[in-house]
Amino acid sequence: SQQGEEDPQALSIQEGENATMNCSYKTSINNLQWYRQNSGRGLVHLILIRSNEREKHSGRLRVTLDTSKKSSSLLITASRAADTASYFCATDERRAGNMLTFGGGTRLMVKP
Amino acid sequence: EAQVTQNPRYLITVTGKKLTVTCSQNMNHEYMSWYRQDPGLGLRQIYYSMNVEVTDKGDVPEGYKVSRKEKRNFPLILESPSPNQTSLYFCASNPRTGGELFFGEGSRLTVL
Repeated sequence: SQQGEEDPQALSIQEGENATMNCSYKTSINNLQWYRQNSGRGLVHLILIRSNEREKHSGRLRVTLDTSKKSSSLLITASRAADTASYFCATDERRAGNMLTFGGGTRLMVKP
Repeated sequence: EAQVTQNPRYLITVTGKKLTVTCSQNMNHEYMSWYRQDPGLGLRQIYYSMNVEVTDKGDVPEGYKVSRKEKRNFPLILESPSPNQTSLYFCASNPRTGGELFFGEGSRLTVL
């Protein structure tokens, strides 16, 4: 089952613009994570935000979390062509075991 | 270098021919898991392991087996592969439940 659902499914912007991706989930969580995947490669962890946090920054990345709306957003500022990738949110669903559930991802294309 | 290593990276096989995809991590992580990635379905967890000799089913375990005899290794076994198991497979490890996952580079499997 997919816990997180990303929106939009695809996004195309020009270099220098900001990119915003959204993630919605269904059940209570302990934390939410964002990952990046270059085409056909392994996923790379970007940032983790805990359920008691509302906003977190890492370089050009800004993540927000609204637990009342069960949603999160990932903002990439001043995008670069190298940011072209798929971005996934993942939640831990507060259930036993090592269950991290991923959404379907947003494909971001940054045009030079 | 901290890494998760999967082999083979690419494999074409035929229905019913048993195969094993190996996964090894050098970070001394207790948790390891297998995911499959399919277009439109995102990443779905197949099996996970919380420690040596401790494994449990994920969301899509049918047709797969795993074993965890050593902390660093977590092979994925397809006893009798079928075409619907054609997919991109990822192994991941993490030091604690719900935490950051470290992914391998993926194994692209085609079952004819």
